[in-house]
Amino acid sequence: DAKTTQPPSMDCAEGRAANLPCNHSTISGNEYVYWYRQIHSQGPQYIIHGLKNNETNEMASLIITEDRKSSTLILPHATLRDTAVYYCIVRAVTGTASKLTFGTGTRLQVTL
Amino acid sequence: GAVVSQHPSRVICKSGTSVKIECRSLDFQATTMFWYRQFPKKSLMLMATSNEGSKATYEQGVEKDKFLINHASLTLSTLTVTSAHPEDSSFYICSASAPGGPPLHFGNGTRLTVT
Repeated sequence: DAKTTQPPSMDCAEGRAANLPCNHSTISGNEYVYWYRQIHSQGPQYIIHGLKNNETNEMASLIITEDRKSSTLILPHATLRDTAVYYCIVRAVTGTASKLTFGTGTRLQVTL
Repeated sequence: GAVVSQHPSRVICKSGTSVKIECRSLDFQATTMFWYRQFPKKSLMLMATSNEGSKATYEQGVEKDKFLINHASLTLSTLTVTSAHPEDSSFYICSASAPGGPPLHFGNGTRLTVT
């Protein structure tokens, strides 16, 4: 699986958009970009994933560059409850269940 | 949506005893489940892949005789920490994939403290 690079920490004011970058310059053509987050002392929570097109759901938007070497997770209106560690993971889909390898992630602190 | 349940959420045990952690897929069948371990302020580390009806696959450096995994049904996998020591104190998290492929769904974890 391709390696990802994320900033270790970011701050965001409540109500503002949080833009979390991820570099995955060695991504292969069959690898998806996944985003999870982990709130303190809980299991990771799935946010969104994509292959090459931008994606949006009720939680966030995922913007993937045309060369697919980087992506940005956007939380449009961050709240205090969005304070968590955000993990960007790149992985090929092989079969019905494939393990995820977690990096160090970005610790997002949302402040008043 | 797909839900993965872990039990217990917290457990304290004495050195030398064994502890069993359960992971259940509540509304789907999971032929494969994954067990992770997380130390404070660290990322999740995959310990093993649990396969229904067959032996688990352990990651390098994980002692299979210490961390016993049983996946006896399509909705239940168990992790038993045998002869626990204080260094086994950690946050253990399981995950499973619902039919139709990714993403993985995670349980809420079990915090093990060995005294």
